[in-house]
Amino acid sequence: EIVLTQSPGTLSLSPGERATLSCRASQSVSSSYLAWYQQKSGQAPRLFIYGASSRATGIPDRFSGSGSGTDFTLTISRLEPEDFAVYYCQQYGSSPQTFGQGTKLEIK
Amino acid sequence: EVQLVESGGGLVKPGGSLRLSCAASGFTFTNYNMNWVRQAPGKGLEWVSSISSSSSYIYYADSVKGRFTISRDNAKNSLYLQMNSLRAEDRAVYYCARGAYSSSLYHFDYWGQGTLVTVSS
Repeated sequence: EIVLTQSPGTLSLSPGERATLSCRASQSVSSSYLAWYQQKSGQAPRLFIYGASSRATGIPDRFSGSGSGTDFTLTISRLEPEDFAVYYCQQYGSSPQTFGQGTKLEIK
Repeated sequence: EVQLVESGGGLVKPGGSLRLSCAASGFTFTNYNMNWVRQAPGKGLEWVSSISSSSSYIYYADSVKGRFTISRDNAKNSLYLQMNSLRAEDRAVYYCARGAYSSSLYHFDYWGQGTLVTVSS
C-alpha cells in the first residue's frame, strides 16, 4: 500500500499570500494518478486537481498541481478567503487507493 | 446536475448491522464506477469499497473485508453498503462518491454529503 504523507500539517497564511502544500508518496505513483481534494468544515470533499496537474471543472486558475513520481505539490498563487480549508491528496494508481492525512490551511 | 444523496446512517450497537443507500441523479448511473469513502470524526479520508458499473468488479479495504458488502441497482440508480459485525472503529461519516472514469484507475469527481454511522452500546 502506498502511504501518502502531507506537509505541513497546518499552514497559517494571510489572504493574498502564496500557499505551497506537499504530498510525498512512499512509492512512485504510476502515471501521475494523483488528485487533490478540498474539504471545508461540515462539508463533503470536493475535487480540485486530478492527474497531478489538471484542474477540475470550475476550479480557478490560482490553483495548480505539479509533480511526479513520489513528490507532488498543490500551489495556490494568491489566497482568497474561501480557500482556507483542509486539503487531501489521493493516489489512485495502485490498489488500494490511499489518501494523505490532510493539510489544514488556516488564516493567519 | 449530478447529485448523490446518502441515507441509512444512525446509531447501532457493536456487532449490529446497518444498510446505507446512495441515490444518484443527474447522470447515467450505469456508466460509472461507484464508491464508498468514510471519515472518522476529526480524521482523514479512508476508501472503503468500490463497485464497477456492471457490478463485475468489487473491491474492499482490508479493514472491512468480510463484514461489508457493496452492491448497486442500476434500474433504481442506487448504490448500497451492507455493514455487518459493526465495530466502534467503524464510526464515521460515510460518503458515496462517483468514479471519474470507466477504467479501473480513477479519482472521485462527485461526492454526496455523507451519512453518519455511530457504533456504541
